[in-house]
Amino acid sequence: NAGVMQNPRHLVRRRGQEARLRCSPMKGHSHVYWYRQLPEEGLKFMVYLQKENIIDESGMPKERFSAEFPKEGPSILRIQQVVRGDSAAYFCASSSGTDVYQPQHFGDGTRLSIL
Amino acid sequence: AQTVTQSQPEMSVQEAETVTLSCTYDTSESDYYLFWYKQPPSRQMILVIRQEAYKQQNATENRFSVNFQKAAKSFSLKISDSQLGDAAMYFCAYRNHPDSGAGSYQLTFGKGTKLSVIP
Repeated sequence: NAGVMQNPRHLVRRRGQEARLRCSPMKGHSHVYWYRQLPEEGLKFMVYLQKENIIDESGMPKERFSAEFPKEGPSILRIQQVVRGDSAAYFCASSSGTDVYQPQHFGDGTRLSIL
Repeated sequence: AQTVTQSQPEMSVQEAETVTLSCTYDTSESDYYLFWYKQPPSRQMILVIRQEAYKQQNATENRFSVNFQKAAKSFSLKISDSQLGDAAMYFCAYRNHPDSGAGSYQLTFGKGTKLSVIP
């Protein structure tokens, strides 16, 4: 029973390039959340998606960041024209619902490094 | 907005001993949930224990227990009989009750406490 799968585990980009982070939720989960963890910090909520819908993107930077969760395939977090400040670990979580007894299960994260 | 504060950046404990990690939070809500997550060097976030604010009884999970003081907005984690595998970053997290409306699914994390276990 596979958990939340994120890839790649490590991603290196040069300033100005695009970064694409993928997240496959646990089987049966249709709710996906993205969090960002800056060095020495806790995780910060970015966006919450259900299949084909963005429910809440209040934690997403207004520019360069976008997220999708298509009907088929993984959820994608896209960062365009990356800058050094985008270096962080990006975690995806999934759940079967939003009730607290349907907890968010986290993936192992993608560590993004910007040269 | 809710905030979560972990005032101990690092802690250490002798193997088989007991250690308590502190967490305080700020909220104007009366019903909410609190969590402790463990993040070992592998970086995976693992749910350790969960507490519902409306429950007076402190949650326990095997060697892990919490001391929930609602009036003081304090939520500490006690690890008994510490093991080498307990070494990790520990994050305290807060979540509003689903009935509180938008954003109730968001987890708000503290900055974490790095726990070292000394053999």
